[in-house]
Formats: sequence, C-alpha cells, structure tokens
Amino acid sequence: EAGVAQSPRYKIIEKRQSVAFWCNPISGHATLYWYQQILGQGPKLLIQFQNNGVVDDSQLPKDRFSAERLKGVDSTLKIQPAKLEDSAVYLCASSLEGVTGELFFGEGSRLTVL
Amino acid sequence: ILNVEQSPQSLHVQEGDSTNFTCSFPSSNFYALHWYRWETAKSPEALFVMTLNGDEKKKGRISATLNTKEGYSYLYIKGSQPEDSATYLCAFKGAQKLVFGQGTRLTINP
Repeated sequence: EAGVAQSPRYKIIEKRQSVAFWCNPISGHATLYWYQQILGQGPKLLIQFQNNGVVDDSQLPKDRFSAERLKGVDSTLKIQPAKLEDSAVYLCASSLEGVTGELFFGEGSRLTVL
Repeated sequence: ILNVEQSPQSLHVQEGDSTNFTCSFPSSNFYALHWYRWETAKSPEALFVMTLNGDEKKKGRISATLNTKEGYSYLYIKGSQPEDSATYLCAFKGAQKLVFGQGTRLTINP
C-alpha cells in the first residue's frame, strides 16, 4: 500500500516570496490534515479536511496561508507571502476515520525562509 | 488552550538500558491518546492509539500505559537499541482537535 506522498521535501525561499506544498493521501482516506512543526515544538494543526470540506482551520493564518483539497483526494497548502517565522516542517497526514484512528504521515516538507 | 506536556524533552540512554517517559494531558473530555515515533528524515509512525483508562499496549520492546483519570501516559522501552533513537510524540484527542506534545528526543548511545 502506498503511503502519504508529499513534495517538495525541501524548499528555501526568501521572505515575502510564495511557496506551495502538495500532498497525496493514502487511497480511501477521507480525512486529511496539514500540520506545522517548528523546531522544538510539537506539530500544530493548520487545517483538517473531511473529503473536500474543511472541518477545522482555526489555527490557519488565513492572511497568508491557504489550502484546498480538490475532489476530496490530493491537497495543496500555499503560503503567500512567507515570513521568517514560517520556517518549519509541514507535515501532511491522512486517516480513515476521525482522529481516534491512527494518522498516517508523509515525510514532510522542510521550509526555510531567509 | 489544551496543554499536552511531555517529559523529559531529551534523553540519552546507554544501549541495553531500559527507559521511560511521560505524557501529561487534560483529565476531562478524553477520547484517545496517540503515541508516534519520528525518526530523522522519515515520517512519523503510529505506535499506539489508546482509548480506555487502564489500557496497556505492547509492540515488541515498547509498551505504553494510560491513566485518563489523572491525565498521564507512560511509554516504556526495554533493552534500548540504536534503532530506537527518535523523537517520541504523544497526542491527546479531546472534544476537538488532536493536540500534540512537544516530543521527547531519545538518543541511544552504543
């Protein structure tokens, strides 16, 4: 069974530039999550999708971050314009059923903003 | 704001020794407690999902216990091996989102 695919693995940009991350979840997983993990901190949920609807985006900085999940399958997370404090690992995860079931993570996209 | 605390933040253990670390979480509105292992340059991988007070789960040399009434879970590793070096994350599911602790970074010294 293929795992969660993410790209790119690494990205270096200058502040005020834009960046996009892509995620393809495990086939059949209805729930998709984007987490931001800053060094020394635990992963923080940015947005949770159920199929192609948003369940929770309360911690998504909507002035600069946007995310979409087309046709309830793959998803894109965009940052525009980037700030220095956006340097982090962006993790995508999927699950079969809510969060009482385990999450399956991708390898993450490491963003460095200079 | 939900507070999920893990201790210690980092730990160095000699190969062959056993170790344990703690996850503390709110004792109300409990749905589930997750443990994940995150090795460098790999994706976080689920170890356990625990839902019942008093639950004990085991996978090889790793085991976990859960006390929902007092709000803590312990993760134990018996006979540590170099491949156990990783960051161990716990995550609490209450009425809303899954909230992660900051992790315990474990290094096994050969």
